[in-house]
Amino acid sequence: ETGVTQSPTHLIKTRGQQVTLRCSSQSGHNTVSWYQQALGQGPQFIFQYYREEENGRGNFPPRFSGLQFPNYSSELNVNALELDDSALYLCASSLWGSTEAFFGQGTRLTVV
Amino acid sequence: AQSVTQPDIHITVSEGASLELRCNYSYGATPYLFWYVQSPGQGLQLLLKYFSGDTLVQGIKGFEAEFKRSQSSFNLRKPSVHWSDAAEYFCAVGDGDSWGKFQFGAGTQVVVTP
Repeated sequence: ETGVTQSPTHLIKTRGQQVTLRCSSQSGHNTVSWYQQALGQGPQFIFQYYREEENGRGNFPPRFSGLQFPNYSSELNVNALELDDSALYLCASSLWGSTEAFFGQGTRLTVV
Repeated sequence: AQSVTQPDIHITVSEGASLELRCNYSYGATPYLFWYVQSPGQGLQLLLKYFSGDTLVQGIKGFEAEFKRSQSSFNLRKPSVHWSDAAEYFCAVGDGDSWGKFQFGAGTQVVVTP
């Protein structure tokens, strides 16, 4: 087990709603990255947070936003949910400067 | 732009047989390369990584991978597969300027038959 915990594990939302996903990083890690993994695909980088600031974003619209807190935990917020947002959302924590990242088990989001 | 290609979507292998998963990458500089494994309903677990030095890298669970710059490849191998190796395998290239950012391939699903 990696020590990276995500909540909730599953949730179902209706199109147009908003959702918040949470990630607690591994002890001592100060960097959190979020990924979206659609069914049958590899994870796609959404964005990364370091020292409570966004440090790079993938090809995702602004309705995907995030936060990092002083304890390095993080939230991913998605507004105006679309059906295509249905996916497994993965959080990865790492220590800035380290080559290794540890992934949580993910949150399975279904938009209906 | 970086990219990762895993040509095989699905591989079936008999228990005890050898396994090789292919990965090709496109990257401007010396790449940081990774192999991750994902079991059903689970997150990603790091099998091994390459940054520099010896081009044959040993990982966990008896896996190894070989970096071949001339072929832009980083293939994963295991000499004898166990039923517990059934999972999805992802090759990834890392951004050396920002730790924790990866470009993943689409994955290879491995099925192990008795």
